[in-house]
Amino acid sequence: AQSVTQLDSHVSVSEGTPVLLRCNYSSSYSPSLFWYVQHPNKGLQLLLKYTSAATLVKGINGFEAEFKKSETSFHLTKPSAHMSDAAEYFCVVSSAGTYKYIFGTGTRLKVLA
Amino acid sequence: NAGVTQTPKFQVLKTGQSMTLQCAQDMNHNSMYWYRQDPGMGLRLIYYSASEGTTDKGEVPNGYNVSRLNKREFSLRLESAAPSQTSVYFCASFHLQGGEQYFGPGTRLTVT
Repeated sequence: AQSVTQLDSHVSVSEGTPVLLRCNYSSSYSPSLFWYVQHPNKGLQLLLKYTSAATLVKGINGFEAEFKKSETSFHLTKPSAHMSDAAEYFCVVSSAGTYKYIFGTGTRLKVLA
Repeated sequence: NAGVTQTPKFQVLKTGQSMTLQCAQDMNHNSMYWYRQDPGMGLRLIYYSASEGTTDKGEVPNGYNVSRLNKREFSLRLESAAPSQTSVYFCASFHLQGGEQYFGPGTRLTVT
């Protein structure tokens, strides 16, 4: 069975400071992992994905995530937050070769001026 | 190239009314999905279609039906709407080579 846990429902950071959004996963098979961002009243946009290539994955808008198998984690980071990063972020797991996504419950990121 | 489109964007229904949510994709993807998003619960899969001509239940299928009309279109029907179906509904399609799903802009449904 697969599951994903986003450890923080809300995160607040000041503009220009680092962002860390935490995600742990559980999967019986080799997982594919994704981070999506959802701005208010919008659809979901893919930020980055891990599909068993490099463990450090770079995405759009300066975000990156590191796949750590020993810790079953896939945390999302950004060195310097921007006001436009304020949104909800979803960590997603799927088994390689399957079509189904399992979503985390989301982390709402607030960026303070 | 519009990606995934959904209609309508907003809808208000009375309890017991029926409606169909429409979804279309122009990326030639085989697999399509319907999700609902509720506060604090992430997205939950209602139904999916792995390929044209097939549909399967997801995590929360009760009260819904789907039709995969052709490769492009996948519709979601509420036969008798209930207040518990108040939600935001997202359609998605799956890019096999990249392994990621692409999402539509959503339909915000309120059932009174």
